[in-house]
Amino acid sequence: KNEVEQSPQNLTAQEGEFITINCSYSVGISALHWLQQHPGGGIVSLFMLSSGKKKHGRLIATINIQEKHSSLHITASHPRDSAVYICAVTRGGSNYKLTFGKGTLLTVNP
Amino acid sequence: EADIYQTPRYLVIGTGKKITLECSQTMGHDKMYWYQQDPGMELHLIHYSYGVNSTEKGDLSSESTVSRIRTEHFPLTLESARPSHTSQYLCASSAGLARTDTQYFGPGTRLTVL
Repeated sequence: KNEVEQSPQNLTAQEGEFITINCSYSVGISALHWLQQHPGGGIVSLFMLSSGKKKHGRLIATINIQEKHSSLHITASHPRDSAVYICAVTRGGSNYKLTFGKGTLLTVNP
Repeated sequence: EADIYQTPRYLVIGTGKKITLECSQTMGHDKMYWYQQDPGMELHLIHYSYGVNSTEKGDLSSESTVSRIRTEHFPLTLESARPSHTSQYLCASSAGLARTDTQYFGPGTRLTVL
């Protein structure tokens, strides 16, 4: 079993829909990261959080440390949001190294 | 936009060839990383560096080697490429000011070994 599990693996939505991607982890962490990977491979860091909630534009990330769970929400989804969304954790005491989930492939249709 | 570059972006090469994947960053970051990613799979750390002349192997065993002679440059070398090395290789860097630094990723090199 992976230490970082994401669900769903694939998600198809219509433009304008509210999207939720979930991440569960089984190890102690210093921080949790949400990343976006577009076709072609480039990865962009969206959020890094260790507690509570962060918002950037239409993206919202939450984390529940007690339940070892995080969610990434996209409001008013748009076709340009189509990408793979990756959850990763910095394990406690790991000194910067990340452990990654397999990613969620999001397709937003117009 | 992160200033981290990888060349080549795509490489198709025959078995037995020596290859070097280049990674450079202009942000002055101390920490640099190499990840390997197979299609549909998670990224795995194969090498990392905390600074000049410091390199360590990552969580996934790899036949590749790395060097860090200059802060901005972190090349990865395969002495004899094999089809099992076919994968995407992503380089990243972070400032290293805190344990939970944001990592900035390059665009990746997609390697195919025939």
